[in-house]
Amino acid sequence: SQQGEEDPQALSIQEGENATMNCSYKTSINNLQWYRQNSGRGLVHLILIRSNEREKHSGRLRVTLDTSKKSSSLLITASRAADTASYFCATDLRSNDYKLSFGAGTTVTVRA
Amino acid sequence: GAVVSQHPSWVICKSGTSVKIECRSLDFQATTMFWYRQFPKQSLMLMATSNEGSKATYEQGVEKDKFLINHASLTLSTLTVTSAHPEDSSFYICSAIAGRWANTEAFFGQGTRLTVV
Repeated sequence: SQQGEEDPQALSIQEGENATMNCSYKTSINNLQWYRQNSGRGLVHLILIRSNEREKHSGRLRVTLDTSKKSSSLLITASRAADTASYFCATDLRSNDYKLSFGAGTTVTVRA
Repeated sequence: GAVVSQHPSWVICKSGTSVKIECRSLDFQATTMFWYRQFPKQSLMLMATSNEGSKATYEQGVEKDKFLINHASLTLSTLTVTSAHPEDSSFYICSAIAGRWANTEAFFGQGTRLTVV
């Protein structure tokens, strides 16, 4: 079952602007991961943030995690047309088995 | 990063026939592989988890006899959609992990678009 809820469902921005999307989840997690999916393709891993981390950076990406609020955000700075894609958060639940539960995704469109 | 290859990328089959989808980890040994189904503009729904040499663990509501999963080696898992029907048309994606479970990223195949006519 899906654990993550993402907000907004869709986002349209101008090239060069920043894009922010949020993810909320329900149960305790080992880590939270963000993935990107281009239309009709597989998923590409972007960043993993552990439950004991609060913020992580990777290039133009910044991810925050607030375990008290059970929420995470992904910020893409200085967006490019190539950033147009769907972005999913996935939570690795605290359990004996590895199992990623994906959110509904945010569709980002970057206009040139 | 590690590469997972999924084949075919798209397939059209007649209703009642079976279709096999392959998922290969090309440059690492996949301790566990996962199969997902994705409907248009929706999220990924986990269908089953497979470990090399053992039976797959199916999620609730997924028919084992309908979706046969075989994980014969550390680099190959297959999903066979048996007696396919139009409602089985969907985008199927596999993923694999290499290391221990904790704090491991998953590597995804490029997906297979199945259309049953």
